[in-house]
Amino acid sequence: AQSVTQLDSQVPVFEEAPVELRCNYSSSVSVYLFWYVQYPNQGLQLLLKYLSGSTLVESINGFEAEFNKSQTSFHLRKPSVHISDTAEYFCAVSEIGGAQKLVFGQGTRLTINP
Amino acid sequence: DTAVSQTPKYLVTQMGNDKSIKCEQNLGHDTMYWYKQDSKKFLKIMFSYNNKELIINETVPNRFSPKSPDKAHLNLHINSLELGDSAVYFCASSLPGERFDTQYFGPGTRLTVL
Repeated sequence: AQSVTQLDSQVPVFEEAPVELRCNYSSSVSVYLFWYVQYPNQGLQLLLKYLSGSTLVESINGFEAEFNKSQTSFHLRKPSVHISDTAEYFCAVSEIGGAQKLVFGQGTRLTINP
Repeated sequence: DTAVSQTPKYLVTQMGNDKSIKCEQNLGHDTMYWYKQDSKKFLKIMFSYNNKELIINETVPNRFSPKSPDKAHLNLHINSLELGDSAVYFCASSLPGERFDTQYFGPGTRLTVL
């Protein structure tokens, strides 16, 4: 079984400041890793994913995440945030070769202040 | 064009009632899912179907019964609703392959049981 821990339930930052949302996971098998974003009153959208290859993955809107196998982490970063980044961010894992079931963390609410 | 749609968006009902939530995807995907998001925003998978066949059935009370009339639809029927069923229910779909494919989420159905 897998579990995901997002260490911060809320992260307030000022606009144009850098941000890091932390995610750690636990699994006895290899996993794929994901970050999903949920804007207010909307469904979830995939932000980025790590399946294999380079451990640093990027999204089209400036976010990046790095898979660290030894620390079982997949932290999400952005060097300069915008008001529009205000949302709930969910880290998730799925067992490689398993039933394509996403196991989510508790979510981190990112609030951008002007 | 809406990729994954759910109806209704909001559902308010009394304890003990039976209700259904409908989900449709026009992406041509083979696999569909139901997730439950509780009041603390924690997301957990309930079911998944692949080509109308049940693949994942988490420890969900048997008052919850998914029905897939065809691979574009996965409905969720809930009998004898309880207060604890109040949550946001998300439908998702994906095109399974050898590697994990992106799950596309619907906008959610907010169920309130009074």
